Amino acid sequence: AQSVTQPDIHITVSEGASLELRCNYSYGATPYLFWYVQSPGQGLQLLLKYFSGDTLVQGIKGFEAEFKRSQSSFNLRKPSVHWSDAAEYFCAVATYNTDKLIFGTGTRLQVFP
Amino acid sequence: DSGVTQTPKHLITATGQRVTLRCSPRSGDLSVYWYQQSLDQGLQFLIQYYNGEERAKGNILERFSAQQFPDLHSELNLSSLELGDSALYFCASSPSGGVSSYEQYFGPGTRLTVT
Repeated sequence: AQSVTQPDIHITVSEGASLELRCNYSYGATPYLFWYVQSPGQGLQLLLKYFSGDTLVQGIKGFEAEFKRSQSSFNLRKPSVHWSDAAEYFCAVATYNTDKLIFGTGTRLQVFP
Repeated sequence: DSGVTQTPKHLITATGQRVTLRCSPRSGDLSVYWYQQSLDQGLQFLIQYYNGEERAKGNILERFSAQQFPDLHSELNLSSLELGDSALYFCASSPSGGVSSYEQYFGPGTRLTVT
């Protein structure tokens, strides 16, 4: 069965620092991969997605993610974090024959000024 | 704003009661998904409807049911509520056709508290 692992439950960074949130998936073939962000009391917003092609994908709010098949990873990055990026980030996977999203447990990002 | 609307925003009810959560998908989206988010289970897929028909089922309890109406809005019915049903319930919708059908856009959620 497909699964998604986000090994970091909580990450704290200083404003202006770079960020990398880790995501590993388990699936036999190439999955469809997503990152969502959830601000407190809000719904989930789609940051970016990977279906195929270029393994480095750009998203909204200055985020990017890189798909590495050899490592079964899809890590989220941002070169310079802003205080407004403080939120919970979820990695998710969908597979070709199912529409449902399988989510990781999330990483809570805290940003210090 | 994703374009997906959910009502009500908050719901407080007692054990044993029944509630209905409502979702309106983005304009043109035929698929509606329901998810439950709780502290102990995380985000769990419950059920999917496509153009009025049930398409996929996840970890949905028998006490829960859903439907999608001809105007494409969907309702999630939760009955015989237990304390453990307290959670945030999200609705999502996606367009149809090609890989875009895998892009899900989430509503703001309904926070259910069972006392």
